[in-house]
Amino acid sequence: AQSVAQPEDQVNVAEGNPLTVKCTYSVSGNPYLFWYVQYPNRGLQFLLKYITGDNLVKGSYGFEAEFNKSQTSFHLKKPSALVSDSALYFCADCSGGYQKVTFGTGTKLQVIP
Amino acid sequence: NAGVMQNPRHLVRRRGQEARLRCSPMKGHSHVYWYRQLPEEGLKFMVYLQKENIIDESGMPKERFSAEFPKEGPSILRIQQVVRGDSAAYFCASSPPSGGAHEQFFGPGTRLTVL
Repeated sequence: AQSVAQPEDQVNVAEGNPLTVKCTYSVSGNPYLFWYVQYPNRGLQFLLKYITGDNLVKGSYGFEAEFNKSQTSFHLKKPSALVSDSALYFCADCSGGYQKVTFGTGTKLQVIP
Repeated sequence: NAGVMQNPRHLVRRRGQEARLRCSPMKGHSHVYWYRQLPEEGLKFMVYLQKENIIDESGMPKERFSAEFPKEGPSILRIQQVVRGDSAAYFCASSPPSGGAHEQFFGPGTRLTVL
C-alpha cells in the first residue's frame, strides 16, 4: 500500500532561519510526490510536485523539496522562514492509481517572530 | 478562471437529518475527488468521480454516504441520517482530464457540524 509519513506533528522555527518539514514515503513503483499547504479554515494549496527529473524541485512562495531515493524522503525546505509561512503542511503521494492522493498526517509549522 | 467552488461553507444538521454538499470543479476539469478531514487529522480519500461515473469509492463508508457527478451541474456528496461522527471538513478537489499525475486543486471545504 502507498503511504507517506510526516514524523513531526509540529515544527517551530525563528523568522529568517531556514526551515525543513520532513516527509518519507513508502510506495511500490515510482512515487509521485506533492506538498500542499493549508491555512486555517481554508482548503489545500499546491506548493510543488516531483514526478521525474531533477531531484531538487522548486515551488511556490520560495519553497523547494529534495527527492532522495536512497532515503525515500521528500523533505520540504525554505532558506528563510516568514511568519506568514505558519500553516499546516501536507506531504502526499498519488502513485496508487486513478490519481488518488494519499496524504500524510500533516505538520504544523510555527514561525516565531 | 474561478477555482473549485464548494457550498455551503458551513452546514449544521441534527442527528438523523440529511446533508448535501456541493462541488463545482474548475472550468475544464472533469475529475472530481472528495476528501474528509477530521479534527487534528489529515485528509482521507473518499471517492473519485468523472462525469456520470464513479471511478473509485474505496474510501467511502458503505452506508449512508453517496456521491454523484451528473452530466450537468455540480458534484454532490450526500450523507443520510447523519451522526455526530460525521462532523468534519469535507473537501472537494478537481483535476484536468489529461493523463499523468497532475496536482489537484482544492475547494475551500464544507464544515459539517452534527448536533
